[in-house]
Amino acid sequence: KAGVTQTPRYLIKTRGQQVTLSCSPISGHRSVSWYQQTPGQGLQFLFEYFSETQRNKGNFPGRFSGRQFSNSRSEMNVSTLELGDSALYLCASSTGGRQAIYEKLFFGSGTQLSVL
Amino acid sequence: GNSVTQMEGPVTLSEEAFLTINCTYTATGYPSLFWYVQYPGEGLQLLLKATKADDKGSNKGFEATYRKETTSFHLEKGSVQVSDSAVYFCALTGGGYSGGGADGLTFGKGTHLIIQP
Repeated sequence: KAGVTQTPRYLIKTRGQQVTLSCSPISGHRSVSWYQQTPGQGLQFLFEYFSETQRNKGNFPGRFSGRQFSNSRSEMNVSTLELGDSALYLCASSTGGRQAIYEKLFFGSGTQLSVL
Repeated sequence: GNSVTQMEGPVTLSEEAFLTINCTYTATGYPSLFWYVQYPGEGLQLLLKATKADDKGSNKGFEATYRKETTSFHLEKGSVQVSDSAVYFCALTGGGYSGGGADGLTFGKGTHLIIQP
């Protein structure tokens, strides 16, 4: 069974640009979550999508957005990039059911975004 | 809000040494607790979990017990190996719809563990 796939693996952008990251969950998983990992702040929850609907959202500005498609693949977008957006962005998938607090998340290897 | 505190390290041990990584948390309600491990160049992997007080999670020789009275979930292993070198994250979720919970998983800053032969 293929794992969670994130593309691209590395990305370099300049301030003010926008960027789109992609995540393909494990087959059959309907929930996709996104996390930002930085040395200073650690891992922080961005948002979670389930069946094409944003179900949960962390404390990030509106420049960070996402969406989920009918095949459960998800994209996140960051507009008007700032230097502080440089981070490893991790995607995680799960079945997302009501008892999912007892289920585990499967993480991808992440997209390393560098903003110059 | 929820928070997790853990030693950041690096923690350097010799092979076969006893390992303890402390983790304490602040949360409302009855969170589920997790330890995730991140090997170099890889994503996070669930190591073990506990969903209620006094539960013990265990996997690959690692153990952690959910202590509600001390709000702790310390990770232990009796004899570490070089292959255990990684970053370990303590995390919690307050429950909700997803494996991430209503507010997603709340992670500690991670503890970098280095095992020397």
